[in-house]
Amino acid sequence: ETGVTQSPTHLIKTRGQQVTLRCSSQSGHNTVSWYQQALGQGPQFIFQYYREEENGRGNFPPRFSGLQFPNYSSELNVNALELDDSALYLCASSLSRFSDGDEQFFGPGTRLTVL
Amino acid sequence: GQNIDQPTEMTATEGAIVQINCTYQTSGFNGLFWYQQHAGEAPTFLSYNVLDGLEEKGRFSSFLSRSKGYSYLLLKELQMKDSASYLCAVRDKGDKLIFGTGTRLQVFP
Repeated sequence: ETGVTQSPTHLIKTRGQQVTLRCSSQSGHNTVSWYQQALGQGPQFIFQYYREEENGRGNFPPRFSGLQFPNYSSELNVNALELDDSALYLCASSLSRFSDGDEQFFGPGTRLTVL
Repeated sequence: GQNIDQPTEMTATEGAIVQINCTYQTSGFNGLFWYQQHAGEAPTFLSYNVLDGLEEKGRFSSFLSRSKGYSYLLLKELQMKDSASYLCAVRDKGDKLIFGTGTRLQVFP
C-alpha cells in the first residue's frame, strides 16, 4: 500500500506566474484535502474534493483552484502568484468524508517559493 | 469564528513528562486530532478524541473535554526524537481540519 505522494518537492516561481501541484492519494482513499502551511504556522485549509467534486473551501481567493481525477489523484492550481503564496502545500487523503475518526494521511508537501 | 490556541513553544528534559494544552472555539465539532510534525516533514497522526476522556497510546495520551473546549496531549518518558511541532486540529464540518499554530517542543538531554 503506497502512501500519499506529492510532486514536485520544491518549486521556485516568480510573481504573476501560475503553478500546478500534484498529489496521489493513498490507495482506496476517495477524499483529498489541500492545506497551505506558512513558516511557523499551522496548516490552513484550502479546499477538499470528494469523488471529483469540491466539497468545502477555506478562505482562499478564486485564483486557488483544484481538480480531482477518477483515480482520486488531485491537482492544486494557483494563478497570478503573489509573494505571500510562498509556503509548504500539503495534500491529505482520507478514506471517506463520512467516517468518524478517519485520520487524514498527509503527503510530504511541496515547498513553493515565490520571488 | 474559528479559533484554536496552543502554546508556541515548550521545553522539557529527556525522560520527563510534558503536557501540551489546546483550547478551541469552532462552529462545529466532529473530533479533535493531534499531529506531530518534524521540521520540513509532513504531519503524522498521533491521536483522535471525539468523546470526553482520555485516550492512551503507548507513551502518548490525549484528553478531551467538549464542554470546556479543551484538550491536552501528554507525552511521557520523553526522548530526543520527540523534539518536533505538535499540532492540535479540530474537524469542523465534513472532513475539514482547522489547525492551531502548533507547539514547538524541544527536548534537552
